[in-house]
Amino acid sequence: QKEVEQDPGPLSVPEGAIVSLNCTYSNSAFQYFMWYRQYSRKGPELLMYTYSSGNKEDGRFTAQVDKSSKYISLFIRDSQPSDSATYLCAMSKGLGGTSYGKLTFGQGTILTVHP
Amino acid sequence: DTEVTQTPKHLVMGMTNKKSLKCEQHMGHRAMYWYKQKAKKPPELMFVYSYEKLSINESVPSRFSPECPNSSLLNLHLHALQPEDSALYLCASSQVSPPSTGGEGYTFGSGTRLTVV
Repeated sequence: QKEVEQDPGPLSVPEGAIVSLNCTYSNSAFQYFMWYRQYSRKGPELLMYTYSSGNKEDGRFTAQVDKSSKYISLFIRDSQPSDSATYLCAMSKGLGGTSYGKLTFGQGTILTVHP
Repeated sequence: DTEVTQTPKHLVMGMTNKKSLKCEQHMGHRAMYWYKQKAKKPPELMFVYSYEKLSINESVPSRFSPECPNSSLLNLHLHALQPEDSALYLCASSQVSPPSTGGEGYTFGSGTRLTVV
């Protein structure tokens, strides 16, 4: 069983829809949680970063962390065709520079938003 | 400056060539990373530098040789690569101490797309 599970999709939605992306994890040692967006043949772009349970909002994006259920989500409101990309969840047990800071990624969800 | 800059963006090299990938950041991050990403897969960690010292080597073959000349620069020296080493090579950086107000997470560069022929 993978430490981080993410439904690879693909997920196809109409423009304007609310998109929900999810990851579950098995190791309660994970403390820092990130969502990345990756366009084809580009590097991952950090969308959201949080280290506590609860919600964090940034524009059309809301990240939700539930440590008790070991579940994280990313919601995209008013989705646009430009949101079409692969979305990766990632998490670490600590901060950078040590084995605890090592990022563990989900497999990525391919999202297509059609006009 | 909240960017990680990687050069070159594309690289084609023969199996007997020696080349280097370069990465630069000016966010004051003291941890820097090399990741390898194959198509339709998540990034895989190769090396971690903390305060310019190699702290993690994920059993990477010796044909990949990392170097961290200073706190802003990270290089990856390539020699005698195989076609299966063709991939997107990503550099990233992060803080090493607890974030005071959320922090920036791990910031990735755009990558170098490497093709070994």
